[in-house]
Parts: sequence; C-alpha cells; structure tokens
Amino acid sequence: DAGVIQSPRHEVTEMGQEVTLRCKPISGHDYLFWYRQTMMRGLELLIYFNNNVPIDDSGMPEDRFSAKMPNASFSTLKIQPSEPRDSAVYFCASSPSGQGANSPLHFGNGTRLTVT
Amino acid sequence: AQKITQTQPGMFVQEKEAVTLDCTYDTSDPSYGLFWYKQPSSGEMIFLIYQGSYDQQNATEGRYSLNFQKARKSANLVISASQLGDSAMYFCAMREGQGGRRALTFGSGTRLQVQP
Repeated sequence: DAGVIQSPRHEVTEMGQEVTLRCKPISGHDYLFWYRQTMMRGLELLIYFNNNVPIDDSGMPEDRFSAKMPNASFSTLKIQPSEPRDSAVYFCASSPSGQGANSPLHFGNGTRLTVT
Repeated sequence: AQKITQTQPGMFVQEKEAVTLDCTYDTSDPSYGLFWYKQPSSGEMIFLIYQGSYDQQNATEGRYSLNFQKARKSANLVISASQLGDSAMYFCAMREGQGGRRALTFGSGTRLQVQP
C-alpha cells in the first residue's frame, strides 16, 4: 500500500521564483495536511483539507502561500514569490475519517526547500 | 501558551536500557488525543503510539508505552530495551476535540541518542 507521496524531494530555487510542491495522499484518506518544519519554529500546520475543501488555513504565513486540492488524490502548495525565509522541510500528511479522533496522520517524506 | 511542552532537548541512553521522554500538554477540552512520532535522521515522520483522553489504560505498542497521567497533564513516552536504531527525534502531539479539529499540534521534540 503506497504511502503519502510528495514531490520533489529537494528543491533549490532563487529568491523571487515560484515554487510548487506536490502531494498525493493515501487512497481513501479524506483529510490532507500541509506542515512546515524549521529549526526555529518546529512543526507548524499551514493548512488542512477535508474532502478537498480547505478547513483551516490560519497557519498560511502570508499571501505568497497558496494551497489547492483539486481532487481527492492531489494537492499543491505554491509559494510565489519565494524568499530565503521560506527555506524549510514541507510535509504533506493524510488521515482517514473513519477511525475517528484517534486516527494518526500519515506523513510523506517531505520536500526540502532551499531558497537562495 | 504552549499546548505541547517537551522540556528535554536531548537525551542519552545506554543500549538495552529503558528511557522516558517527557511531554506535558495544555488543553481545556475534555476530549483529546495524544500521539508520539519518531523522526530518524532520514527525515520521515513515523507514528508510534496513541492515547485517548478517555482511555482507562496506558497505551502500549511493542517496546513503546505511554505513561499517561491525566491530572498532571503528562503523556510521557517510555521506550524499553533501547536499540541503536531508536536514535532519532521524538515528537509529542495533541489533537483536541472529539471528531472536530483534526490537525495535530506538535511539541518541539526530544533528540534521543542511544549509546552502545
């Protein structure tokens, strides 16, 4: 059974460029989460979706960040324009609703973003 | 206020010994869940164990057990018979609300090093 798939694994870009991170959740999972991990701030929730609908985007840093989930098997996180302070590991995670509140999040391997 | 506090930035343990990683939490919600994740140096996030606020018994999963003290709002992870492969970052996380908010809030983590 395939886990959460993120691409690319590594992304190096220059300040001002657009960056798009991609995520394929586990089939049948109807919750999808985007987290960011940095040394200074730890693991922060950016946004999460339920059945492709954004539920909480209060963690999205600013208008430069946007996330979409056009269907149940695909989500994108876009940063435009990127800045050096956006350098971090970005995780996508998914979870099913059927198990209730005890269902863990299943994480992808993350995308390490470096903005120079 | 921090919702999840992990006060031990780093811990050392001898191989084959047991180790306790501390986690305290803050919530006024009577219904919540507590999770522990392992993040090895390769970067992936691995779910270890779950404890629900209404669970009467401490959770166990193989060599992992959770010392849940509700009145003290603590949910410490106990790893028995440590192995070299247990060296990693360990994160405590909480989900608040029965079936409501599905995202997890993470602590800052504890880096465990198992020594031969």
